[in-house]
Amino acid sequence: EDQVTQSPEALRLQEGESSSLNCSYTVSGLRGLFWYRQDPGKGPEFLFTLYSAGEEKEKERLKATLTKKESFLHITAPKPEDSATYLCAVPQNAGGTSYGKLTFGQGTILTVHP
Amino acid sequence: ETGVTQSPTHLIKTRGQQVTLRCSSQSGHNTVSWYQQALGQGPQFIFQYYREEENGRGNFPPRFSGLQFPNYSSELNVNALELDDSALYLCASSLGGRFYEQYFGPGTRLTVT
Repeated sequence: EDQVTQSPEALRLQEGESSSLNCSYTVSGLRGLFWYRQDPGKGPEFLFTLYSAGEEKEKERLKATLTKKESFLHITAPKPEDSATYLCAVPQNAGGTSYGKLTFGQGTILTVHP
Repeated sequence: ETGVTQSPTHLIKTRGQQVTLRCSSQSGHNTVSWYQQALGQGPQFIFQYYREEENGRGNFPPRFSGLQFPNYSSELNVNALELDDSALYLCASSLGGRFYEQYFGPGTRLTVT
């Protein structure tokens, strides 16, 4: 079965201290990789979709990259408002059947201190 | 454009009871997926509804059931509640043909005592 593992589980940064979050996956025939941001007690907010190795997407201080085995979410000069849990997910393959099961990692809890 | 909405926001039930959670999909979306998220974990897929039919199911027992209505809104029903059912229940909508691009609602926090 497809698996998604995120690291680290938690990350504490000082404001302005850049870093990266990792999402490694095992899936046959990747159909995309999704990054979400989740604030406490709320639903995940869609950030990026990556479809092929080498692809990069950027949004404000965030940049997502994809290789054949993992994805990175780079955070440049973070601010306290970037504090959240960041989740990655991959679509589950089901013998060619197309439906929308996303397999999520357990998330990385990011805390940015002022 | 209206986003995904869920009701109620919070719910407290007793073990053995039944519960119904509701979801309205984003404007223009015809597919709804339900997820369970335990504290400190990523969301776990329960099932998906497309054009009022179940279109995929995760590893959840039959006491988890659902419906989708002609206006694409959806219900999640859980019978015989257990303590382990306490979680954040998330609804996500998408467009048929782009099932994976899912937009989530705010969730319903269910506590079973």
